Amino acid sequence: QKEVEQNSGPLSVPEGAIASLNCTYSDRGSQSFFWYRQYSGKSPELIMFIYSNGDKEDGRFTAQLNKASQYVSLLIRDSQPSDSATYLCARGGSNFGNEKLTFGTGTRLTIIP
Amino acid sequence: GAVVSQHPSWVICKSGTSVKIECRSLDFQATTMFWYRQFPKQSLMLMATSNEGSKATYEQGVEKDKFLINHASLTLSTLTVTSAHPEDSSFYICSATGTNTDTQYFGPGTRLTVL
Repeated sequence: QKEVEQNSGPLSVPEGAIASLNCTYSDRGSQSFFWYRQYSGKSPELIMFIYSNGDKEDGRFTAQLNKASQYVSLLIRDSQPSDSATYLCARGGSNFGNEKLTFGTGTRLTIIP
Repeated sequence: GAVVSQHPSWVICKSGTSVKIECRSLDFQATTMFWYRQFPKQSLMLMATSNEGSKATYEQGVEKDKFLINHASLTLSTLTVTSAHPEDSSFYICSATGTNTDTQYFGPGTRLTVL
């Protein structure tokens, strides 16, 4: 079982709709979770991180964490063509993002105009 | 947010030569730097973790004699790919974290092509 699993997609969503990206992890001791966006040929850029159960909102993005079920998700509201990218889920440890991250394989998202 | 740079952004070299990639933190002191490798259509795989002034810790399966990492200062870490071969062609990305950062910040990456 992979440490961090994501549906590789591609996931196609109409412009203006909500895109939902999911991620599961195997290590119950995982403390911190990160969502990165990666455009083709570029390095990842951090969208948001979440440490506590529940929802965390930042603009059009909402991260959801359920430690009991070992999943974390990212919702993108009002999807824009510029949101088309690969989204990487990563888990960290107790030192949050200051220690090594384990990445999932990423989900390729395409927003259809 | 904090800024991390990498140099060069791309490099082409002949098989058997060595290539050095630099990773710099521009506006913070990076106590820890991470080196990742990403093959096409795959995710980032951590190669090694380096703490300033210490030897790097390599992930399982990464040859430490082939991928030399030096983190001699709080703003610079280097990755040297020794005797590069075509299978080493990849996208190499560093990230850095410091005592006052809340997460790690990624550099723009270096694309290595070995002919």
